[in-house]
Amino acid sequence: DSGVTQTPKHLITATGQRVTLRCSPRSGDLSVYWYQQSLDQGLQFLIQYYNGEERAKGNILERFSAQQFPDLHSELNLSSLELGDSALYFCASSVGGGEGYGYTFGSGTRLTVV
Amino acid sequence: KNQVEQSPQSLIILEGKNCTLQCNYTVSPFSNLRWYKQDTGRGPVSLTIMTFSENTKSNGRYTATLDADTKQSSLHITASQLSDSASYICVVKGGTYKYIFGTGTRLKVLA
Repeated sequence: DSGVTQTPKHLITATGQRVTLRCSPRSGDLSVYWYQQSLDQGLQFLIQYYNGEERAKGNILERFSAQQFPDLHSELNLSSLELGDSALYFCASSVGGGEGYGYTFGSGTRLTVV
Repeated sequence: KNQVEQSPQSLIILEGKNCTLQCNYTVSPFSNLRWYKQDTGRGPVSLTIMTFSENTKSNGRYTATLDADTKQSSLHITASQLSDSASYICVVKGGTYKYIFGTGTRLKVLA
């Protein structure tokens, strides 16, 4: 157990729907990062939050949004889902928000859009 | 363009053999380089992290090297075990909050 908790582990939904993925960071970690890993693709950085504020944005679609709450858990919202959104979505957390901080990954949420 | 390229894409070796995975990057500026091991369906787990001034770093049977001049890194696995079967991902940090991931090398260790 890495200490980073992601729920649900699996999610199957239909095209056009909206889902919310949840991530609880490791105790004491202030940063949360979201990544998408499609089949046979590398990890794509989506977005980072640090202590409730957005810190960095990667290749995140406009249909996707995220937020970090006061208790530091984060949610990734995916809307108007398309078949191509089927992927593993990973959350990672770290103590700090910048240089030199290692981060720990959760076990991921597998999203299947049918 | 910031890129991280890994080779080979996939590799099959026999248990007990050694292997070396390559990572070439064009990320600038360069902050650090990490190697991750990702078991199928699991989150990546950090193996090593190397900064500009570090040439070699070991973690058990895993040894990473970095040549910042040629922008190349390698991950050497010694005396491979069945449990080494996984994807190995090279990640380069290129400035604040910018992480560029390679697509990984899939290693299969056979008995």
